[in-house]
Amino acid sequence: DVQLLESGGGLVHPGGSLRLSCAASGFTFNTYAMSWVRQAPGKGLEWVSTISGGGSSTYCADSVKGRFTISRDNSKNTLYLQLNSLRAEDTAVYYCAKQVTSGNAYYHFDCWGQGTLVTVSS
Amino acid sequence: EIVMTQSPATLSVSPGERATLSCRASQSISTHLAWYQQKPGQAPRLLIYGASTRATGVPARFSGSGSGTEFTLTISSLQSDDFAVYYCQQYNAWPLTFGQGTKMEIK
Repeated sequence: DVQLLESGGGLVHPGGSLRLSCAASGFTFNTYAMSWVRQAPGKGLEWVSTISGGGSSTYCADSVKGRFTISRDNSKNTLYLQLNSLRAEDTAVYYCAKQVTSGNAYYHFDCWGQGTLVTVSS
Repeated sequence: EIVMTQSPATLSVSPGERATLSCRASQSISTHLAWYQQKPGQAPRLLIYGASTRATGVPARFSGSGSGTEFTLTISSLQSDDFAVYYCQQYNAWPLTFGQGTKMEIK
């Protein structure tokens, strides 16, 4: 069974930093792109960032560009999201998601973790 | 950015009835569209990809259709387990974008 387990969320002050992790199991991690998707309280889903299976290509939403960095360690089957310069509007549940790809084409998210809550508040 | 617009925002339906949810893209996305179901306190779950292909384990009462800019998710006979929020998502171009969701309520 595919499993994705996020960790690292918590309460942080505006301007602070956090690193989220997503431990993956049940599939060949380095052959799949991985993404982060967030959901503010009571709101809809917002794509944040994607990284290719090998880690050489990354994509990022404009709302987090220059502040958030996606990375992965394929030897540890783990995905990361470094969150810097956090703002109140970054408060959300952050989900990691396994993304189907074919060559250079990126498709849907076929498996999601349970999420980790990041709260940015003074 | 491709804007995804879902309608209606809320749909009140009785169990056993048919439900039709709509999703419109601001420009053509071919069939690069997925539908997800989300229940309170849970992660989203993939229902449909490629606009019309059911994901593994998804009941046959869920069907998707459409191409270009207009898409539909149909639930043929609603069961109590289907009352949730449904999101469409395009993966035709970066940034990936979601619709704002349709909340399915019990009538």
